[in-house]
Amino acid sequence: DVKVTQSSRYLVKRTGEKVFLECVQDMDHENMFWYRQDPGLGLRLIYFSYDVKMKEKGDIPEGYSVSREKKERFSLILESASTNQTSMYLCATSTSLELFFGEGSRLTVL
Amino acid sequence: QKEVEQNSGPLSVPEGAIASLNCTYSDRGSQSFFWYRQYSGKSPELIMFIYSNGDKEDGRFTAQLNKASQYVSLLIRDSQPSDSATYLCAVRGNEKLTFGTGTRLTIIP
Repeated sequence: DVKVTQSSRYLVKRTGEKVFLECVQDMDHENMFWYRQDPGLGLRLIYFSYDVKMKEKGDIPEGYSVSREKKERFSLILESASTNQTSMYLCATSTSLELFFGEGSRLTVL
Repeated sequence: QKEVEQNSGPLSVPEGAIASLNCTYSDRGSQSFFWYRQYSGKSPELIMFIYSNGDKEDGRFTAQLNKASQYVSLLIRDSQPSDSATYLCAVRGNEKLTFGTGTRLTIIP
């Protein structure tokens, strides 16, 4: 079974703090994604990566950056957290057909 | 106009009945269509995909695609309480996968 592990299930941070969300997959997939999910807005793509050291902006990249130094690890970085970044963050990896999601990281920014 | 639209619900269906979930999309070039199920507090999981016009059946689930009318639907036969979840429609076109906001389905025992 594909396993996508997100480092933190729940985080509480203060405005202006730097936040790292880590994601590790064990299936040697090329593709990795970061989404955020908000009520009424659904899943929105922040960034994605098709290879090591490669990154592409998704639909809502503002305020975020990513890092992919190793194939199995894809990190989402909030350089200076703001209250409007309070959300559920979902990491995913994919085959050509299917997305496999991690359990999610619920971030609250105070 | 949203790229992928779903009725947010909640949709309440008696146990044993057929649940019908609908999704419309705006990009006529869309090529593949997916239904994900998301239980409360959990992450989405793929339950069905369809590429061609018509019906595709998998157990109690049937996906229906009509490209001319730009809609895709999911039918759940013999609905069970365990089917209570949010169902997300996702549409892929030109390498981009776009999700709808989901329909919350409740099966009433």
